[in-house]
Amino acid sequence: AAGVIQSPRHLIKEKRETATLKCYPIPRHDTVYWYQQGPGQDPQFLISFYEKMQSDKGSIPDRFSAQQFSDYHSELNMSSLELGDSALYFCASSFARTSGGETQYFGPGTRLLVL
Amino acid sequence: EDQVTQSPEALRLQEGESSSLNCSYTVSGLRGLFWYRQDPGKGPEFLFTLYSAGEEKEKERLKATLTKKESFLHITAPKPEDSATYLCAVQPSYNQGGKLIFGQGTELSVKP
Repeated sequence: AAGVIQSPRHLIKEKRETATLKCYPIPRHDTVYWYQQGPGQDPQFLISFYEKMQSDKGSIPDRFSAQQFSDYHSELNMSSLELGDSALYFCASSFARTSGGETQYFGPGTRLLVL
Repeated sequence: EDQVTQSPEALRLQEGESSSLNCSYTVSGLRGLFWYRQDPGKGPEFLFTLYSAGEEKEKERLKATLTKKESFLHITAPKPEDSATYLCAVQPSYNQGGKLIFGQGTELSVKP
């Protein structure tokens, strides 16, 4: 079965540089979520999109922005990178339903290292 | 404040030694509770979704149960390949965006 695709899988950047992470959801899934996971920590919610509209925003720095495109893929843009941005970034996708919780399926992640 | 607490933080078992992992939660309305398995450096792998107290789900050696305040992940006769971090997450009902609030996870190690 098709899974969530993320690219790149690994990224090394210098401080103050910018980075763009891409996420391709499972086919027919209409909702995308972004999470950040620091070393030894649990995933922290950043932002989500439903049908190309932002649906929720978590602890996402103002230096970060994201969008969902007409083909449902999403991009997370990170500017003025800081050392503390080094983490695993996961994208998850789900199919929204009117009741009940939607199961989110996670991608393999992008490991970002800021030097 | 919404909160998810998992215990123990780490668990070491011998192969075949059954045990349970606990997930206690405080949330203003539960839309769903989710269990994931995560191997080092990889994305969380979905295991179970539970929606209401009393619900149980099983998959191979794993069984998840849910009460109004906590969930348990029972592991029966574990094997070394069950070694991983098990994450519990809740989805609040008030939040239409569907974000998950995760616990810190239980790191399970199964020795042969």
